[in-house]
Amino acid sequence: DAGVIQSPRHEVTEMGQEVTLRCKPISGHDYLFWYRQTMMRGLELLIYFNNNVPIDDSGMPEDRFSAKMPNASFSTLKIQPSEPRDSAVYFCASRYMSGRFIPGELFFGEGSRLTVL
Amino acid sequence: RKEVEQDPGPFNVPEGATVAFNCTYSNSASQSFFWYRQDCRKEPKLLMSVYSSGNEDGRFTAQLNRASQYISLLIRDSKLSDSATYLCVVRTGNQFYFGTGTSLTVIP
Repeated sequence: DAGVIQSPRHEVTEMGQEVTLRCKPISGHDYLFWYRQTMMRGLELLIYFNNNVPIDDSGMPEDRFSAKMPNASFSTLKIQPSEPRDSAVYFCASRYMSGRFIPGELFFGEGSRLTVL
Repeated sequence: RKEVEQDPGPFNVPEGATVAFNCTYSNSASQSFFWYRQDCRKEPKLLMSVYSSGNEDGRFTAQLNRASQYISLLIRDSKLSDSATYLCVVRTGNQFYFGTGTSLTVIP
């Protein structure tokens, strides 16, 4: 099975530009999570979706961040306008509530490494 | 107070050594517990789940103490390939909380 697929893998942009990160979860997974990882703060949950519906976005830093999940196989995280402090690795992860997988196991994509100059 | 706290290390140990990592969690209602492994510049991957009865997977042993809200991971006979960051993870409801990770380097 294909894993969680994220794009782009690397993005370098200038302050003020719009950044869009993309994620394709594992087929059949009903939860999708967006995390941000920095050396200082580790992995922070930004937002998660259940069956394409945003459930908790309390981790989204501010209005410059937005996330959508228009269907079960695609999600985006958008930053507009971007700032240098947004530089981090952004991970998407998906999960299936029950079934043959270990309950609670999160499957991560390879991450999108964002650098804002 | 952070949901999950870990000693960041780093731990530098010789091959063959036994090393133990610990973490604590703040929410007594948390339901599931895990150790994830993250290699440099890679994504986190599940290493093992953690149960109150303790569980073992080869050289790895995980333990949960619900009364103390404490989770541990023991690695015996360390290999060079064990070098990574080990993340303590706690699930509360549908949210997963990650510790900041403990860095391990196994030295030849």
